[in-house]
Amino acid sequence: DQQVKQNSPSLSVQEGRISILNCDYTNSMFDYFLWYKKYPAEGPTFLISISSIKDKNEDGRFTVFLNKSAKHLSLHIVPSQPGDSAVYFCAARVAGGATNKLIFGTGTLLAVQP
Amino acid sequence: GAGVSQSPSNKVTEKGKDVELRCDPISGHTALYWYRQRLGQGLEFLIYFQGNSAPDKSGLPSDRFSAERTGESVSTLTIQRTQQEDSAVYLCASRGANYGYTFGSGTRLTVV
Repeated sequence: DQQVKQNSPSLSVQEGRISILNCDYTNSMFDYFLWYKKYPAEGPTFLISISSIKDKNEDGRFTVFLNKSAKHLSLHIVPSQPGDSAVYFCAARVAGGATNKLIFGTGTLLAVQP
Repeated sequence: GAGVSQSPSNKVTEKGKDVELRCDPISGHTALYWYRQRLGQGLEFLIYFQGNSAPDKSGLPSDRFSAERTGESVSTLTIQRTQQEDSAVYLCASRGANYGYTFGSGTRLTVV
């Protein structure tokens, strides 16, 4: 049962344009959502997060939008740069859990073309 | 250390052999997680340690998998009698006071 879904395995964008990465979830008990970025042969690194009580969080070129009614979140990168090329994972945390365990999606490979 | 350190970075083993993977978390991080990523899949939770509390082992896929951690120090993940489906990248992460994890670079395990 995949509680966090990233339905696009890959995305290609021109440098300077906007990249939009999507994530859907099924568990209403998630209270925190995070995006991680992963380069080959490296571990995932934290990028940006959003609490379930908000609908938008912005950090420089990165903005995460949360639509709770649709159980959907998206990561916008603008302008996209070649160095943004990586796998992006969406992750969610279950509210009230003792472990702060994160449930991850399968990832989207972003390729930013120069 | 400055980051989460995992060793070895790569491991090739024969089916049926035991393997031991090591994780050295960030100093002062009380929480430690093991995840794995099989080819084409997301990160799959395996086990969680928090200080001296009983670990959350709910993600371990079989009794061939076990992990240990003493206090807030190094953790080892042991896979006994490895099978080909155990081939994956095994990722360790530690967490301090905030929600975000700091991941190591992982151990790529290949069972042949």
